[in-house]
Amino acid sequence: SAVISQKPSRDICQRGTSLTIQCQVDSQVTMMFWYRQQPGQSLTLIATANQGSEATYESGFVIDKFPISRPNLTFSTLTVSNMSPEDSSIYLCSVEETEKGEQYFGPGTRLTVT
Amino acid sequence: AQKVTQAQTEISVVEKEDVTLDCVYETRDTTYYLFWYKQPPSGELVFLIRRNSFDEQNEISGRYSWNFQKSTSSFNFTITASQVVDSAVYFCALSEAELEGAQKLVFGQGTRLTINP
Repeated sequence: SAVISQKPSRDICQRGTSLTIQCQVDSQVTMMFWYRQQPGQSLTLIATANQGSEATYESGFVIDKFPISRPNLTFSTLTVSNMSPEDSSIYLCSVEETEKGEQYFGPGTRLTVT
Repeated sequence: AQKVTQAQTEISVVEKEDVTLDCVYETRDTTYYLFWYKQPPSGELVFLIRRNSFDEQNEISGRYSWNFQKSTSSFNFTITASQVVDSAVYFCALSEAELEGAQKLVFGQGTRLTINP
């Protein structure tokens, strides 16, 4: 299975600032996904990032708030902009292994906004 | 629209007992995929299984087994002879193959399983 790493693993940020989360995969993948898990909740898809095209955002998520980059087939970033305490969550990236269709997740970035 | 329901919010059993986690899904598509993930206290999400809608065979992997029944739209997960290390939150998820084959997962609310020694 793909090995996925995320940086940072956790951070505490002040409201109004922005944080960029990095996701690195050890193999080339077409699709990368960004999810959010609010405290004690389930996971919600933020956007799908396909290399070479604009990310596709889910209802309730906008590019101005969560800009995403996907410069190559092994890397993506998610920025959480103008943060508020409601953005405190775990942010996870995931990749899909095309052959088997299995989806694997990175270890997550635990964000706390004060 | 897709929906996944895990009605059991929390389950607590004593070690060595068998336990079944329920998952009921809704979808209008005939082609879809079902997943189970484990999230231990450390927080990472561990892939357990992916099953497509055309394969209703039950699956067994060690102490884990899955029962897929299209007639009741259920994909239940059983742990046999549970162990303390099985304590975690378990998520069931559903995806429909969409544009360019991307599988966007819709998750259930999760079941917190506690195995007591």
